[in-house]
Parts: sequence; structure tokens; C-alpha cells
Amino acid sequence: GDSVTQMEGPVTLSEEAFLTINCTYTATGYPSLFWYVQYPGEGLQLLLKATKADDKGSNKGFEATYRKETTSFHLEKGSVQVSDSAVYFCAPWTTDSWGKFQFGAGTQVVVTP
Amino acid sequence: DAGVIQSPRHEVTEMGQEVTLRCKPISGHNSLFWYRQTMMRGLELLIYFNNNVPIDDSGMPEDRFSAKMPNASFSTLKIQPSEPRDSAVYFCASSGSGFSYNSPLHFGNGTRLTVT
Repeated sequence: GDSVTQMEGPVTLSEEAFLTINCTYTATGYPSLFWYVQYPGEGLQLLLKATKADDKGSNKGFEATYRKETTSFHLEKGSVQVSDSAVYFCAPWTTDSWGKFQFGAGTQVVVTP
Repeated sequence: DAGVIQSPRHEVTEMGQEVTLRCKPISGHNSLFWYRQTMMRGLELLIYFNNNVPIDDSGMPEDRFSAKMPNASFSTLKIQPSEPRDSAVYFCASSGSGFSYNSPLHFGNGTRLTVT
């Protein structure tokens, strides 16, 4: 089945710093790749996605590029804000998943003023 | 769009009691998922419905857990009897189609269950 490995958190950084969260995946076929974000006290929400190799997903200043050769989908943001403090989840999805998202452990990001 | 609505937001109960969690998916969505989130295990998929039919319940931990979806606008997750290790945040999510990459999951804000 599909699986994902994310870098462990918490990741603590100062406001305006550069953020990278690594994500590598294993999946049958050619998965679509998603990043979800969970703010404190809330459910997960879609941050961005990419559906084929070399696609770049972007939203709210975050970007991730679908790298088929390295099976990776690293999340980046050039200048984080305190409001970006959250838990970030990487998730591959294929039709073989029967629609089930298998989320990784998540990476907690803490941004300090 | 009211989003996925879960109730209650918080539930505190004693061991042995029955607990029922409720979910109203987004209107028009035909797939519904129940997840459980704990510090130890992260986010676990418990069960998944498509068009009100349970497709995969392999993540349901024990026979004490059951889920129903009597119609397209309502689902329940029941734990009977509850145990302290069931304490977690339970999320419901829905999507337009469980089989389309164009239809991401929309999560509710969860029910925080504490079993004492």
C-alpha cells in the first residue's frame, strides 16, 4: 500500500525564516501528492497538491514539487509567519488506495516571533 | 458551504459507557471517512463509506467500534463499551468522490473524547 515518510518534528524557527519539510513516499502506480495542514484545535485542510511528475503545487506562499525520480514532495516556504505554526501532513493517493488517504505522522512547525 | 459538522466537540465519559459521535458531511459529497488521532499513533483511518455503503472497515480497532451511515447526510461512530484507551480526537471527513484526485478531503473540527 501507499506510505509516506516525513521528517520528524517539532521544527522550531523564527519568523521570516525559510522552512523545508521533507516528504518521501512509496506508492503503486503514479500517485497524486498532497500536503494538508492542521491548525491547533481544527481538522486537517488541504494546503496544496500536485497530480503528475514535475508539477508544482502552491498556496499561501508554500510550494512543493512532485519529484518522481526521488519519490519526494518536499514542502517549502521562503518566509514563515507565526500563523504558519501548525502540523503539516504529506499524503500520496492513487486509485489503488480506493480513495483512502494514508497520512504520515505529520511534522509540527513552531514559528516564534 | 457549512463544511463538515461534527458533534459533540468534546465528550467526557466513564469507562463502560456507550459513546456516539455524529457527523454531517458536506452536501453533495458521496464519500465519508472516520479518522482517529492520538499522539502515539497519529492519524488512523477507521472506516470509509462510499454512497452510504461501508467500503473498508479494516481500521476499526475492535468490535466495540461500529459505524453507520443511514443516509447521505448523516453518519455515526459508536463505541460500546468505551475504554480509557479510546481517548482521542475523532475526525470525520468527506469528499466529492473517494476515487478522484480532484476531490480532496474536507475535515470537520473533530470530537475530543476522554474516557475516564
